Amino acid sequence: DQQVKQNSPSLSVQEGRISILNCDYTNSMFDYFLWYKKYPAEGPTFLISISSIKDKNEDGRFTVFLNKSAKHLSLHIVPSQPGDSAVYFCAASALGAQKLVFGQGTRLTINP
Amino acid sequence: NAGVTQTPKFQVLKTGQSMTLQCAQDMNHNSMYWYRQDPGMGLRLIYYSASEGTTDKGEVPNGYNVSRLNKREFSLRLESAAPSQTSVYFCASSERQGAWTEAFFGQGTRLTVV
Repeated sequence: DQQVKQNSPSLSVQEGRISILNCDYTNSMFDYFLWYKKYPAEGPTFLISISSIKDKNEDGRFTVFLNKSAKHLSLHIVPSQPGDSAVYFCAASALGAQKLVFGQGTRLTINP
Repeated sequence: NAGVTQTPKFQVLKTGQSMTLQCAQDMNHNSMYWYRQDPGMGLRLIYYSASEGTTDKGEVPNGYNVSRLNKREFSLRLESAAPSQTSVYFCASSERQGAWTEAFFGQGTRLTVV
């Protein structure tokens, strides 16, 4: 039972353009959502998060959008840079659950 | 700034062998976690420890045991390794027990069971 789904295993975007990574969830108890970035041979690193009381959170080139009615969130990267090439994981948690549930990951490749 | 340190980084085991993966964090975090990463499966929680002295099962605990040795250290033990346990293992820690803040991950242990 995959509660957090990233249906696109990979995404290729040209440098300077917008990258949009998508994530869907099924558990309506989730109230906190995070994006992690992972380079090869390294651990995941936190990128950006959003609480369910918001529908948008922005940090520099990164913006996360949350659509609670659709149980969908997306990560926008503008403009995309070669250093953004990595695997991106969407994650979610429910208050008090003490568990972070991850999606399968999307490999983003930024082409020069 | 060590953060979360895992040892070893690589390990090859024969089926039936045992081993312990070590994890230590220097951020004074209460909560610690063990995840495994497999292709197409994302990161799956094996066990977690909300605070020193407590441990709980995650999504995929079978075949593993854990010990929260003290606030800094959280170890994962494979008593009798199986090929299905070939994976990359990540330890993580976070500041809060309830509402999540960001979790910090170690660099991972790549384990192959032959």
